[in-house]
Amino acid sequence: DTEVTQTPKHLVMGMTNKKSLKCEQHMGHRAMYWYKQKAKKPPELMFVYSYEKLSINESVPSRFSPECPNSSLLNLHLHALQPEDSALYLCASSQGGENTEAFFGQGTRLTVV
Amino acid sequence: EDQVTQSPEALRLQEGESSSLNCSYTVSGLRGLFWYRQDPGKGPEFLFTLYSAGEEKEKERLKATLTKKESFLHITAPKPEDSATYLCAVQALNSGAGSYQLTFGKGTKLSVIP
Repeated sequence: DTEVTQTPKHLVMGMTNKKSLKCEQHMGHRAMYWYKQKAKKPPELMFVYSYEKLSINESVPSRFSPECPNSSLLNLHLHALQPEDSALYLCASSQGGENTEAFFGQGTRLTVV
Repeated sequence: EDQVTQSPEALRLQEGESSSLNCSYTVSGLRGLFWYRQDPGKGPEFLFTLYSAGEEKEKERLKATLTKKESFLHITAPKPEDSATYLCAVQALNSGAGSYQLTFGKGTKLSVIP
C-alpha cells in the first residue's frame, strides 16, 4: 500500500477564515512533507518533518503552520491567507533518512476568496 | 544551487511514435533521481528511482536511464493514456537542515494523439 490520503479534496476559504488541511499515511514512513503547486509549475517544498520533528521550513509565511501529531499524521493550519495562496497543496511521505522516495497524496485544491 | 532542467517543455506524439524526455541536473551530492507522472489536478505518481550512473529501470512502455549529468525517460509505442506531465526530481542533502530533500524540474507535458 503506497497511499497517502489528504482531506479535504477541495477547500474554499475567506481571507479571515481559519482552516486545516490533513494528511495521513500508514506505510510506516518517518518523513512527511508539504508542497505547494501553482498551475503549470512544479511542486515547491514548504515543510519537512523527519521523525515527527520539523527539519525544513522553506521560509514559508507564518500564516501557514504545520503540525505533526504523530508519525502517521500531518496537518497544515491556515490563517489569514491571501488570494495568491490559492494552489494545490500536496502532502508526501517517505521512509526517511537517506531514502526520500516520496509518495504523494492527491492534493487539496485551495481557493482563497 | 541545485538545478534540474527538463526538456522539451511540451511534446506531442502520434500514438505508437516512440521518443525520449530529458532531465539534466547539477547538484552537490546526488543521492537519487526520481521520475513522477502527474495528471491535471492530481498528485504526482511515483514511477522510478535511479541511484547510480548506468542504472536503468523499466515499467510497461517506460524506461528510465541515468548518466552522471542527465536522465532520460524513453517512451516506447506510447498510447493516449500516457498523456500527462512527467516530472524529474533530484534528491540531495540540505546541509543546513541535515536532511534530504527533492528538487523538481518544471516537467514535460506529453500529449499522445490517437
